[in-house]
Amino acid sequence: QSALTQPPSVSGSLGQSVTISCTGTSSDVGSYNRVSWYQQPPGTAPKLMIYEVSNRPSGVPDRFSGSKSGNTASLTISGLQAEDEADYYCGSYTTSNTYVFGTGTKVTVL
Amino acid sequence: QVTLRESGPALVNPTQTLTLTCTFSGFSLTTTAMCVSWFRQPPGKALEWLARIDWDGDTYYSTSLKTRLSISKDSSKNQVVVTMTNMDPVDTATYYCARGRWFFDYWGQGTLVTVSS
Repeated sequence: QSALTQPPSVSGSLGQSVTISCTGTSSDVGSYNRVSWYQQPPGTAPKLMIYEVSNRPSGVPDRFSGSKSGNTASLTISGLQAEDEADYYCGSYTTSNTYVFGTGTKVTVL
Repeated sequence: QVTLRESGPALVNPTQTLTLTCTFSGFSLTTTAMCVSWFRQPPGKALEWLARIDWDGDTYYSTSLKTRLSISKDSSKNQVVVTMTNMDPVDTATYYCARGRWFFDYWGQGTLVTVSS
């Protein structure tokens, strides 16, 4: 199972919007609405930000949103804040009943 | 309040078997649809899913590591144990456990395992 493809880095100024793409295959991202996104500041455990493509857990700001089209999922952070600077990983359930993560994207707030 | 905590050796010799324990609270692995998974993250690298055990005892493994992994549970102790055989320096990583099946809402803080002689 190959890792999902994410851009290594994205950046934006305070208040701007950034979008992170996550490209998989018809065996993972494209087959189910079971894509999730995780935020990981340095030295900390991952934190669930989006589940089932577009749902936000309680406590996650509504400036985080998710979507999917075909084999590509996306995470958008609107109104970028300094505390959003972190690594972000997408993940997807697969048709083999396994789970695969993306390659990770570092978000920098300029 | 859901919590998970990983425990195990910080240093393992090459070729040895690693055994890690995830001790959790706030939920039960006897409840339908509850699952616990293990993950790892080498320093500076991406997350990798390793294995999952479900409430009914079903187990699932990473395709690339399935020959080296074993996952089990002790529901009475609220623990999930993973073993990885034939450890190599490339297996040096922070190992995490988390609750969930196709998304993971609660994570442990992770435990760093270094493989070195």
